[in-house]
Amino acid sequence: QVQLVQSGAEVKKPGASVKVSCKASGYRLTNYHIHWVRQAPGQGLEWMGIVTPSSGATSYAQNFRGRVTMTRDTSTTTIYMELYSLTSEDTAVYYCASEYSGTCYFDSWGQGTLVTVAS
Amino acid sequence: QTVVTQEPSFSVSPGGTVTLTCGLTSGSVSTSYNPSWYQQTPGQAPRSLIYSTNTRSSGVPDRFSGSILGNKAALTITGAQADDESDYYCVLYLGSGIYVFGTGTKVTVL
Repeated sequence: QVQLVQSGAEVKKPGASVKVSCKASGYRLTNYHIHWVRQAPGQGLEWMGIVTPSSGATSYAQNFRGRVTMTRDTSTTTIYMELYSLTSEDTAVYYCASEYSGTCYFDSWGQGTLVTVAS
Repeated sequence: QTVVTQEPSFSVSPGGTVTLTCGLTSGSVSTSYNPSWYQQTPGQAPRSLIYSTNTRSSGVPDRFSGSILGNKAALTITGAQADDESDYYCVLYLGSGIYVFGTGTKVTVL
């Protein structure tokens, strides 16, 4: 399985943007997709989108289209999720998760990154 | 917007059996949605339990099983143990690279 290690906690002001990283190791990412999932305090899990590291192709949940960008750096096997125009409702733990291509499930997860949006 | 519903909570006795379901507000869940299930304890990342409706992930005890029951995906815990007390989420694949989580079920073992 892929091992995923995420960047540390962030505190941002309303209106700012945040960029969270997810470094993959253990396997080549050629045959994997990386998903981003978030969880607001006391709430359920919410799927945000998917990026295919080999091609850079992305697909985003409707709730986040126009406000999120998922990218990758193939040289460092690091995947990024950038969320713009933050509000207090974006305060959440953000997870990256891997999917072996075509299996349609999240087999390995990062440890999570807490993003706090407060003035 | 697609909404995936789960029971908010369930209580089960140690050694008992509980079945959680995962449904759509409009339409039926079938294997083509590739239902998967995840377990999450407080402060931890989710863990994969079941994928492709009924395939257990590596290391998952066989007391966890997945199926389609009627028009919903289902996760059954047979012989519940104290450390099964967790939140459980299903995920459905809607196609075109889009996934959606269910609302989650809190399972209490007592």
